[in-house]
Amino acid sequence: DVKVTQSSRYLVKRTGEKVFLECVQDMDHENMFWYRQDPGLGLRLIYFSYDVKMKEKGDIPEGYSVSREKKERFSLILESASTNQTSMYLCASSLERTGAGGYTFGSGTRLTVV
Amino acid sequence: AQKVTQAQTEISVVEKEDVTLDCVYETRDTTYYLFWYKQPPSGELVFLIRRNSFDEQNEISGRYSWNFQKSTSSFNFTITASQVVDSAVYFCALREYSNTGKLIFGQGTTLQVKP
Repeated sequence: DVKVTQSSRYLVKRTGEKVFLECVQDMDHENMFWYRQDPGLGLRLIYFSYDVKMKEKGDIPEGYSVSREKKERFSLILESASTNQTSMYLCASSLERTGAGGYTFGSGTRLTVV
Repeated sequence: AQKVTQAQTEISVVEKEDVTLDCVYETRDTTYYLFWYKQPPSGELVFLIRRNSFDEQNEISGRYSWNFQKSTSSFNFTITASQVVDSAVYFCALREYSNTGKLIFGQGTTLQVKP
């Protein structure tokens, strides 16, 4: 089974801190994604990556950056955390860039910024 | 632009009732894929079904069934004889073949099944 692992289940950080959310997948997928989930808004795409050292902005990239130094690892970075970034963050990976392939998701990181 | 709308924010039913979750989508592509995911309280999204735009055949899997109608741009999900374990947030999603394959989600419907 494909496994997508997010390093932290719950995280509490202070305003202004630099925050790293880590995601690792073990099935050699080239494509990885970061979403945030908020009530009433569903899942919104922050950043995605189709290859090592490659990144593309999603629909809500402001306030975030990403790093993909190795194929299996995709990190989401909050340069200076703010309270409006309190949310559930979900990482996903997929085998295919286009086509019928769905995504495999991690269990999520619930981030609270105080 | 692609868009997915799940107008039902929350649904509450009593066990053994049937329930239908609505999903309406917008896309300009002729080739696209529709998905349903379940998110139980544990948080991980679980894949339920995928449909491509050329296959309008309805599908049944146990107590779950899906009705895909291109004429109304809808991909509705019905749970027959609901159970408490069906309580979760359900997401409908759309993936266009041409638009870098991004998966776009609806707002989600929270289903509560009471014993």
